[in-house]
Amino acid sequence: SQQGEEDPQALSIQEGENATMNCSYKTSINNLQWYRQNSGRGLVHLILIRSNEREKHSGRLRVTLDTSKKSSSLLITASRAADTASYFCATDLSGSARQLTFGSGTQLTVLP
Amino acid sequence: GAGVSQSPSNKVTEKGKDVELRCDPISGHTALYWYRQSLGQGLEFLIYFQGNSAPDKSGLPSDRFSAERTGGSVSTLTIQRTQQEDSAVYLCASSWGTVSGYTFGSGTRLTVV
Repeated sequence: SQQGEEDPQALSIQEGENATMNCSYKTSINNLQWYRQNSGRGLVHLILIRSNEREKHSGRLRVTLDTSKKSSSLLITASRAADTASYFCATDLSGSARQLTFGSGTQLTVLP
Repeated sequence: GAGVSQSPSNKVTEKGKDVELRCDPISGHTALYWYRQSLGQGLEFLIYFQGNSAPDKSGLPSDRFSAERTGGSVSTLTIQRTQQEDSAVYLCASSWGTVSGYTFGSGTRLTVV
């Protein structure tokens, strides 16, 4: 099964509203990353949060990490139609695994 | 280069043929990763290179899949005797280390007919 699972699978909001997406994972991590994907092609790295960090900001993005609950959230404030995309969390696992493990994604639609 | 370059961007092939997908990572990035993504799904890990060696090939779905990387740069993913279930978008990513964010290419959309 996927290491990271996003919730909800799909989210539809009006422009200007905030969008919150959640990610849960199963095992210890070095860091957790969020990516965005448009049109089923390449992914764009948004933000990385390390396991010893609890919150991180980048522009309109805010990411939180709760290692005790093995969960993370991505908040996009003041959403725009251009934010419409799929958003994936990815975990860099502790231990020997060196590749990122991606969740199944949240499809965000921002309505103008 | 400025980004990760993948070629071809689209490939339609007949069942049973071999295909070769190419990835040209960002110059200086030591780590290179191949993933595939079926329609509407998440990313499935295939293989990871550190330099020219592949410490983790655990994601390759069958022995029809192979990959190599030469000169610590360009990588090719080869699928022999393609099957319809191989149809997917094949994504390559690179990073300068294993604890930094990835830069993805735009992918190769493979369709096996």
